[in-house]
Amino acid sequence: AQTVTQSQPEMSVQEAETVTLSCTYDTSESNYYLFWYKQPPSRQMILVIRQEAYKQQNATENRFSVNFQKAAKSFSLKISDSQLGDTAMYFCAFMKQGGSEKLVFGKGTKLTVNP
Amino acid sequence: SQTIHQWPATLVQPVGSPLSLECTVEGTSNPNLYWYRQAAGRGLQLLFYSVGIGQISSEVPQNLSASRPQDRQFILSSKKLLLSDSGFYLCAWSGVSGELFFGEGSRLTVL
Repeated sequence: AQTVTQSQPEMSVQEAETVTLSCTYDTSESNYYLFWYKQPPSRQMILVIRQEAYKQQNATENRFSVNFQKAAKSFSLKISDSQLGDTAMYFCAFMKQGGSEKLVFGKGTKLTVNP
Repeated sequence: SQTIHQWPATLVQPVGSPLSLECTVEGTSNPNLYWYRQAAGRGLQLLFYSVGIGQISSEVPQNLSASRPQDRQFILSSKKLLLSDSGFYLCAWSGVSGELFFGEGSRLTVL
């Protein structure tokens, strides 16, 4: 079974600075997707970024980028120019390609952006 | 564009009472649908998923059940709630590229 580990329960960063959230996963699959989701205080889960395992190029979405290291099974999220609105829980998630598309989530990292 | 809605947003129920949470998706057909539960301070746990009308797969044995009476409707139910059923319940559908899109969530408190 796949597992996702987020080793940082809480992190904080000053506004406008850069922060990196860590995620590692364990799988024997070759084809899969990795995701970062954001859950602000409103509690709705929002997709931040998505990475296909077969792609070597790291995904980027505006201020959000990932460092995908397939051999090391590592998938970290970098947030540049942090904004107050980035304060949220961040969840790393894994999904095996094909089948019923079930996501396996890490336990999350609580990020606080300080003014 | 696709949208997903779930209700009620907040629910306080006594132990032993029934439960019905409803989720509907608009703007897509035959989506895969999911119910997740998020307990306080924990990650998300997959409860049920459905790949079509009447097709329900359960991930965790418990006193909850799910039904999909229509293509874009997914219902989470219980006949008798337990204290341990308290939590934040999220409905989601999956897009063509595998990502999940979540509803607003329903907070259930069982007293």
